[in-house]
Amino acid sequence: GAGVSQSPSNKVTEKGKDVELRCDPISGHTALYWYRQSLGQGLEFLIYFQGNSAPDKSGLPSDRFSAERTGGSVSTLTIQRTQQEDSAVYLCASSSGADQETQYFGPGTRLLVL
Amino acid sequence: AQTVTQSQPEMSVQEAETVTLSCTYDTSESDYYLFWYKQPPSRQMILVIRQEAYKQQNATENRFSVNFQKAAKSFSLKISDSQLGDAAMYFCAYRAYTGTASKLTFGTGTRLQVTL
Repeated sequence: GAGVSQSPSNKVTEKGKDVELRCDPISGHTALYWYRQSLGQGLEFLIYFQGNSAPDKSGLPSDRFSAERTGGSVSTLTIQRTQQEDSAVYLCASSSGADQETQYFGPGTRLLVL
Repeated sequence: AQTVTQSQPEMSVQEAETVTLSCTYDTSESDYYLFWYKQPPSRQMILVIRQEAYKQQNATENRFSVNFQKAAKSFSLKISDSQLGDAAMYFCAYRAYTGTASKLTFGTGTRLQVTL
């Protein structure tokens, strides 16, 4: 089956604008994660969703960041009033209920804030 | 909080040779998972190998194997018979066992170059 997909692949925006990044997990996967990878850095956890449970938002860096997951499938990460330090690759991953331990990643969205 | 440390920012290996990438971690948990992910220039994170902490036997996947030393909190990746396609960033990652989904904690990565 198809893997995790993300759109757009690349996004250039101006400082102060809002952006929405989309993640489509592997069909049937109940858990969905967002990570951020700044230039030359490892991956930083942002948020994850597990079924109908309340999301773990502990990694969100500020209240300008939010995410939702509609119908237990597609997720949107929204960054409001973007800043230059938000420039990074945003990676989405999903995992299945039968194999919660392994997360499968999408190709990421590269965000550049000018 | 758990931390993962990769002390080798860059490594180089000749084609067909063997290379070992280091990873250490810090946790107070007894049950957890450890992973090595590969990230080529395409950005796609690809799972290379995973190890359950309760298993004493080191995980192996074809040319990739790990040396898991639980007491020392060390989890190194050995790549045998290196190929040009192995060139990538390699990330070590930790995940606590919670019985449900939970986040990965990553190291800062090791860039592996493969030369002819």
